[in-house]
Amino acid sequence: NAGVTQTPKFQVLKTGQSMTLQCAQDMNHNSMYWYRQDPGMGLRLIYYSASEGTTDKGEVPNGYNVSRLNKREFSLRLESAAPSQTSVYFCAASRTGAVEQYFGPGTRLTVT
Amino acid sequence: DAKTTQPPSMDCAEGRAANLPCNHSTISGNEYVYWYRQIHSQGPQYIIHGLKNNETNEMASLIITEDRKSSTLILPHATLRDTAVYYCIVRGSGFQKLVFGTGTRLLVSP
Repeated sequence: NAGVTQTPKFQVLKTGQSMTLQCAQDMNHNSMYWYRQDPGMGLRLIYYSASEGTTDKGEVPNGYNVSRLNKREFSLRLESAAPSQTSVYFCAASRTGAVEQYFGPGTRLTVT
Repeated sequence: DAKTTQPPSMDCAEGRAANLPCNHSTISGNEYVYWYRQIHSQGPQYIIHGLKNNETNEMASLIITEDRKSSTLILPHATLRDTAVYYCIVRGSGFQKLVFGTGTRLLVSP
């Protein structure tokens, strides 16, 4: 039982390149989330998926797209990376409406 | 969501109790108090939550004042592994996003 897994762990991109961050959970939870965390700041919600087949914008959605591929997987895509997207990205999952969110280990992304 | 205020940093000696305060003076009646922590280079970890009664689990205790305008997270016997940033979050029930502030950086020293 791995919980929430994220790939890759580290990535370096050049400005304008695209990439997809992968997230998968084996807890059978309905809701999934993508956050970013910048140095010295708390986490900010990018997108979330309350249930399979639905996605909604969070606080900072610009420059990102998401896909809830199935109940297990929720991917985050950067179509044209910018240096401002250099950050640590965390995926999380929870039961619908539940208090507790389970977080993955994060993806450290650098855009040069 | 009600806003929270936490001290930016605190120190605690190993083996002693760590008491982390949080002010949430604008909390409304249906909002819960949640605590998460984030150990360096890891994802946040849920600790505990409460509405108005004090709560205890295997990780910590949560004391909420009677007027619910503040709360304290208590780690009864802090260890070096408890060094982390602790986030106090206020949120209603049902599906709502978590809003993380900047938290309190707790340093547990030998």
